[in-house]
Amino acid sequence: GAGVSQSPRYKVAKRGQDVALRCDPISGHVSLFWYQQALGQGPEFLTYFQNEAQLDKSGLPSDRFFAERPEGSVSTLKIQRTQQEDSAVYLCASSSEDSLKNIQYFGAGTRLSVL
Amino acid sequence: AQKVTQAQTEISVVEKEDVTLDCVYETRDTTYYLFWYKQPPSGELVFLIRRNSFDEQNEISGRYSWNFQKSTSSFNFTITASQVVDSAVYFCALSGAGDYKLSFGAGTTVTVRA
Repeated sequence: GAGVSQSPRYKVAKRGQDVALRCDPISGHVSLFWYQQALGQGPEFLTYFQNEAQLDKSGLPSDRFFAERPEGSVSTLKIQRTQQEDSAVYLCASSSEDSLKNIQYFGAGTRLSVL
Repeated sequence: AQKVTQAQTEISVVEKEDVTLDCVYETRDTTYYLFWYKQPPSGELVFLIRRNSFDEQNEISGRYSWNFQKSTSSFNFTITASQVVDSAVYFCALSGAGDYKLSFGAGTTVTVRA
């Protein structure tokens, strides 16, 4: 597609439920990133993929968070046993490997509300 | 460690006024990149500009201009002749040359009134 696509746009979960958030990067983009944005704050890095390899997951807040990108394209961020503090907007970004490779292009995000 | 500080939480102006957004950063890297992103109410972060640490030339692109000063670790951004459509949250961000992660400031909410 023309831009980064994320689904669903909104997700309401009961505490303890598992959720899966999907990201479709810009076609041909090798790098994919996940960020978490709390209300009124800037995005915080969660994890980074280059193709299907997860090269950095240092930002994942706990082992309840898991991300994958099995075929080097679409990525899924999974949160197990959601808790209220997981409520945030989850942003996905992708970037190319050419001279513009430092520029990350973002999707509109998934707003997760945990009740 | 990278750190970005945007001291201004909110700015409100009347249409056609100029708006300058402040950004101060900290990094130990000698090579790094600075960015400005815009986040309108729709939520999507929109890339505006990128600057690398070796290029302190300040430029103007349409109604946008920026002032990069390594001596004071500042990367300020100006919107000239603001319009209502400029209303959004603006984020300053930093990454090292070999560090793909973006470190964002807390953002500045700009409201342009007609």
